[in-house]
Amino acid sequence: KQEVTQIPAALSVPEGENLVLNCSFTDSAIYNLQWFRQDPGKGLTSLLLIQSSQREQTSGRLNASLDKSSGRSTLYIAASQPGDSATYLCAVRPANQAGTALIFGKGTTLSVSS
Amino acid sequence: DAGITQSPRHKVTETGTPVTLRCHQTENHRYMYWYRQDPGHGLRLIHYSYGVKDTDKGEVSDGYSVSRSKTEDFLLTLESATSSQTSVYFCAISADLYTEAFFGQGTRLTVV
Repeated sequence: KQEVTQIPAALSVPEGENLVLNCSFTDSAIYNLQWFRQDPGKGLTSLLLIQSSQREQTSGRLNASLDKSSGRSTLYIAASQPGDSATYLCAVRPANQAGTALIFGKGTTLSVSS
Repeated sequence: DAGITQSPRHKVTETGTPVTLRCHQTENHRYMYWYRQDPGHGLRLIHYSYGVKDTDKGEVSDGYSVSRSKTEDFLLTLESATSSQTSVYFCAISADLYTEAFFGQGTRLTVV
């Protein structure tokens, strides 16, 4: 059974710092991995999608990498801003189980102070 | 933003009553999903659909049923609501297995 883990559960940084959020998964048989952002009381906003054949994807100050063989992904946020404060969720779409619905980690809650 | 609308956005109901939540999409996506989000558990899959009238169970399906009679609508029914079903419910859609999944704004359900 696929399991997704995100470390750390919470992170506090000063504005301007570069930071890395980690995601690990137990089964490398995936179609893709997706990073989301969730603000308190809100829905999930998709940030980046990485296909299993890709190594990384970039969007603005965000860069996500994928090492499928080791079951790891990182989300790099450059020059963090207070507006980046949110919970970041990692999810994988498994390739070898029925349904292929996204399986989520429990998230990393990021706080960026000005 | 993807066209996904969940209704109602908030609901308070009594134990033992049936409740139906609606997810409506305007994207003509094939796959639709219902998740619940709870502190300490994260997002867990309840049911999903891979086409009209094609549905299957997820990790936490007990006490829930679904129906999809049209591409655009996916209904989640709590047959007899219990306090353990107090949660935030999210609907998600995706066109296929290789594209992004998009989420609705959620329904906050309280069972008293």
